[in-house]
Amino acid sequence: DAKTTQPPSMDCAEGRAANLPCNHSTISGNEYVYWYRQIHSQGPQYIIHGLKNNETNEMASLIITEDRKSSTLILPHATLRDTAVYYCIAVKTSYDKVIFGPGTSLSVIP
Amino acid sequence: GAGVSQSPSNKVTEKGKDVELRCDPISGHTALYWYRQSLGQGLEFLIYFQGNSAPDKSGLPSDRFSAERTGGSVSTLTIQRTQQEDSAVYLCASSASGGRNTQYFGPGTRLTVL
Repeated sequence: DAKTTQPPSMDCAEGRAANLPCNHSTISGNEYVYWYRQIHSQGPQYIIHGLKNNETNEMASLIITEDRKSSTLILPHATLRDTAVYYCIAVKTSYDKVIFGPGTSLSVIP
Repeated sequence: GAGVSQSPSNKVTEKGKDVELRCDPISGHTALYWYRQSLGQGLEFLIYFQGNSAPDKSGLPSDRFSAERTGGSVSTLTIQRTQQEDSAVYLCASSASGGRNTQYFGPGTRLTVL
C-alpha cells in the first residue's frame, strides 16, 4: 500500500474552509484515496473517497491532483464539531489490509 | 440500521488475567477488522477476517493475542496473560466485502491492565 504523509496538526477559524493536505507520491493506479476522521473518544468515521476525479458529498470535497500524487480534503465551513484527527489512506481495490498513519489533528478555533 | 457494536465498553483487569473483547459487525458485512489505539497514538492494525477466515494476522503483536469469528458474524479478540502495555482502546470495524469498501467502526473497548 502507498504510504501517505500528512501534517501533524492544523488550525482553522470557525466558519472558514479547512484544507487538509495529503501526500501519496507512491500511489499506484488501483489505489483509492480514503479519508476518515476520529473525534475524541469515538471510533473513526468515513468521510469521502476517490480514485482520480474530484468528489463531493454532504460532508466534504476531495480534490486529487492530476498526477494523483497528492490530495486535499476540504471542509467548506468548519465548525467546532469538526475538531478531530483526520486520516488520509491509500486503499487497493483488492487488498484488504488498511494502514492508518498518525493523521492530522485539526483544531477549529472560535 | 444498527451499526457496529462492541462489548464491554470498558474493561479493567489485573496483569496476568485473560480478557475477551466482542465485536458485532453490521449485518451482512463479510469483512471484519480489529485495530488497537494506544493513548495519543494512531490506529494499529491487528487482524482482518473475510467471512470466518483470517487471511491477514500480521498485526497481532504476540502469541498472547488471538481472534476468532464464527458464523461469519460475531468476532472475539482474546488476550491471554495481559500485560500493562496491552492497555489501549480496541476498535472493531466491518465492511461490505473488504478491499476498498468503506469501513464502519464501533465505539471501541477501553482496556486497562493494572
